[in-house]
Amino acid sequence: DAGVIQSPRHEVTEMGQEVTLRCKPISGHNSLFWYRQTMMRGLELLIYFNNNVPIDDSGMPEDRFSAKMPNASFSTLKIQPSEPRDSAVYFCASSFGVSEQFFGPGTRLTVL
Amino acid sequence: KQEVTQIPAALSVPEGENLVLNCSFTDSAIYNLQWFRQDPGKGLTSLLLIQSSQREQTSGRLNASLDKSSGRSTLYIAASQPGDSATYLCAPAGVISSGSARQLTFGSGTQLTVLP
Repeated sequence: DAGVIQSPRHEVTEMGQEVTLRCKPISGHNSLFWYRQTMMRGLELLIYFNNNVPIDDSGMPEDRFSAKMPNASFSTLKIQPSEPRDSAVYFCASSFGVSEQFFGPGTRLTVL
Repeated sequence: KQEVTQIPAALSVPEGENLVLNCSFTDSAIYNLQWFRQDPGKGLTSLLLIQSSQREQTSGRLNASLDKSSGRSTLYIAASQPGDSATYLCAPAGVISSGSARQLTFGSGTQLTVLP
C-alpha cells in the first residue's frame, strides 16, 4: 500500500486566495483525520470523518475552513479566503476504526 | 480537555546510550496511546500503539510503558543510534462515545539528538 497520499506537498499562495488540500487515505480505512502543525500550537486536530461522515469539526478554526469527504478514498480541506496565519503544515491521517493512525507526508502551506 | 506534557523538550546523548522519554497526560480516560517519530520536514511515523489495558509494548529496540491511572507513559530506546535522531511525540487517544474513532492529543515532543 502506498500509505496516505497528500497533495500538493507544498503550496504558496497570496492572502485572499482559495486553497484546496487533498488526501487519499489508506485503502480499507474508514476513519480520516485532518491535523494542522505550527511551531506555536504544535499538532492540532481540525476535523475527523468516520465512514465519510464528519463526526467532530470543533477543531476547525473558523468558517473559512471547510472539509469534505465525498467517498471513502478522497477528502479535501479548503480554506477560503486564506490568511497569512493559516501558514502551517497540514497532515491527513487515516485508521481502521480505533486502530493506530497513519499519517501522510503533509502539505506545507505558505500564505503571503 | 486533555493536556499532554513531554519531558525533556530536548535531549542530546552519545551513541550507544539507553534513554527514556517521558509523557504525562491529564485525563486518564484514554482508549490507547500512540508514540510517533517525526523527522525534520517530514510526516509522522507510528512507532508503537499501546492499549489502555496493556502495561508495555515492544518493537525492536523500543519499549513503551503505560500507567493509565497516573497518566504517564515512557518510551525507552535501547542502544541509541544516530539514525534515532528525531522528534518523538506522544499522543493519548480519547474515548469517543460512538466508539467509531478516537481523537489523538499530541504533546509538544522531545527532540532527540544521538551523537556519533
